[in-house]
Amino acid sequence: AQTVTQSQPEMSVQEAETVTLSCTYDTSENNYYLFWYKQPPSRQMILVIRQEAYKQQNATENRFSVNFQKAAKSFSLKISDSQLGDTAMYFCAFMRRWGRDDKIIFGKGTRLHILP
Amino acid sequence: DGGITQSPKYLFRKEGQNVTLSCEQNLNHDAMYWYRQDPGQGLRLIYYSQIVNDFQKGDIAEGYSVSREKKESFPLTVTSAQKNPTAFYLCASTGTSGLITDTQYFGPGTRLTVL
Repeated sequence: AQTVTQSQPEMSVQEAETVTLSCTYDTSENNYYLFWYKQPPSRQMILVIRQEAYKQQNATENRFSVNFQKAAKSFSLKISDSQLGDTAMYFCAFMRRWGRDDKIIFGKGTRLHILP
Repeated sequence: DGGITQSPKYLFRKEGQNVTLSCEQNLNHDAMYWYRQDPGQGLRLIYYSQIVNDFQKGDIAEGYSVSREKKESFPLTVTSAQKNPTAFYLCASTGTSGLITDTQYFGPGTRLTVL
């Protein structure tokens, strides 16, 4: 069974700094997807970034980028030039390339505080 | 505008009552999911459905029931058998083409409070 581990329950950084959130996962699959979701105080789950396992190039979306290490089964999220609006709960997630009874597996989350 | 809608946003229930939470999507997604989230916690899967008229139990299905009569709709009923139903409920859907676009998208959630 797949598992997703986020080892940092809570983090705080100053505005404009760079912060990295850790995520490791365990799977025997070769084809899969990885995601980072953001849940701000409104509680809406928002997709931040996604990565296909077969792609070596790390995904980037504006100030958000990932460091995907397939062999190490690591998928960290880097937020550059952090802003107050980045304050949220961040969830790392794993999904096997679609098959029967597939469902997305979430980590327990990292609560990120951006301090003014 | 494509997306997922959930209603109501806030719901109050008296003990012993059944209540139904609505979830509708117009993304043409085959798979739909219900999650429960308690304060400060992660997501726990209640039920999911990959096709119409078929659904599977998730990790915490006891006290809940679902139906999937239409592709667009996946309502969740919280029954009186659910001992602690006060929580935030999120509905989600996913495509099933086997491509990266098969990303899970979420509705805005329903906050259920038992009085």
